[in-house]
Amino acid sequence: DAKTTQPPSMDCAEGRAANLPCNHSTISGNEYVYWYRQIHSQGPQYIIHGLKNNETNEMASLIITEDRKSSTLILPHATLRDTAVYYCIVRGSARQLTFGSGTQLTVLP
Amino acid sequence: SAVISQKPSRDICQRGTSLTIQCQVDSQVTMMFWYRQQPGQSLTLIATANQGSEATYESGFVIDKFPISRPNLTFSTLTVSNMSPEDSSIYLCSVEDQDGTYEQYFGPGTRLTVT
Repeated sequence: DAKTTQPPSMDCAEGRAANLPCNHSTISGNEYVYWYRQIHSQGPQYIIHGLKNNETNEMASLIITEDRKSSTLILPHATLRDTAVYYCIVRGSARQLTFGSGTQLTVLP
Repeated sequence: SAVISQKPSRDICQRGTSLTIQCQVDSQVTMMFWYRQQPGQSLTLIATANQGSEATYESGFVIDKFPISRPNLTFSTLTVSNMSPEDSSIYLCSVEDQDGTYEQYFGPGTRLTVT
């Protein structure tokens, strides 16, 4: 599975959109981009995933560039409860998830 | 989505002893995974456990240290054997959704401290 690069930390004001970037320049054509988050002391929580089209669900939007070498997770109206470590994972045929170091998002009041 | 519970939620153990962690799912699942999260670190896969077959271990993890059972489609155990302080971690099980999306759902984790 392709390697991902994320900034180690980001801050966001409460009520504003949080945009979390992820670089996956070595992604191959059959690999999906997954996003998970881990709130302190809890198990990771699935957020969203996509292949090449932009995706949206009740939690977030996922924007994947046309060349698929990077993506952005958007939390449209961040709340204090969105403070967590966000993991961007590229997943191909392997069923397991390979976690990188993620981005610590802190939502500020 | 699957609901996963783990027992115990936390434990403090003496070095040299063993601890068995249980993972219970509210629905039948084919694939279960065990992860370790060392303090301040990301998650690392220990092994994949499919019902009816031997667990598949990742590099750096061996069956003698982390024996796994998978007796049915809703349950699995991970044993941490002959523990040392370096085994102090959070241990998490996860399952793969059965609806074809390959989403994984995680249990709340077991926080293990070895003294």
